[in-house]
Amino acid sequence: SQTIHQWPATLVQPVGSPLSLECTVEGTSNPNLYWYRQAAGRGLQLLFYSVGIGQISSEVPQNLSASRPQDRQFILSSKKLLLSDSGFYLCAWRTGQANTGELFFGEGSRLTVL
Amino acid sequence: DAKTTQPNSMESNEEEPVHLPCNHSTISGTDYIHWYRQLPSQGPEYVIHGLTSNVNNRMASLAIAEDRKSSTLILHRATLRDAAVYYCIYAGNNRKLIWGLGTSLAVNP
Repeated sequence: SQTIHQWPATLVQPVGSPLSLECTVEGTSNPNLYWYRQAAGRGLQLLFYSVGIGQISSEVPQNLSASRPQDRQFILSSKKLLLSDSGFYLCAWRTGQANTGELFFGEGSRLTVL
Repeated sequence: DAKTTQPNSMESNEEEPVHLPCNHSTISGTDYIHWYRQLPSQGPEYVIHGLTSNVNNRMASLAIAEDRKSSTLILHRATLRDAAVYYCIYAGNNRKLIWGLGTSLAVNP
């Protein structure tokens, strides 16, 4: 069966420090991968999505970046965190037809930037 | 962008049916309508999806209007565990799902 894991689950980082969140998917191949951010009391904001290795689409201008070094690995990074980067980050994957495939979400990573 | 409109919040009593509405007037003929729900501090969970016909699964039913500009998620007997934020979304062929604020459902015992 397919599973998705993301880590770390919680982290507190100072402003200006780097960030690396990792997400891996098991049990499927060539998934579409997504990074979302959810600020407190708000809906999910799509940050990046990827349809294949090395293929990254960015949805919003920001100081975050994403990479997909392997088929089932998706990494969210920042060189220097801002206070506004605080939030709940969610990795997700889907496969099959783009319009019908169910999205599967990871457990989430809660980032607090101080 | 694929945009949907939902009420901010709704309230229901336990054991009663709940009808959660969603408007999606800009949906195209090939876009599936998806519903997810999210419990606090968890990732969203898939509930149901459909294209034109009404759909049923073990969690809920989805009623889609004939013109497909709106749909309704039906929870037949609400339980306390159904208290969550419910999102109605759809994706075009660009593979992007655009999420709104959803409907926060409160279930009273």
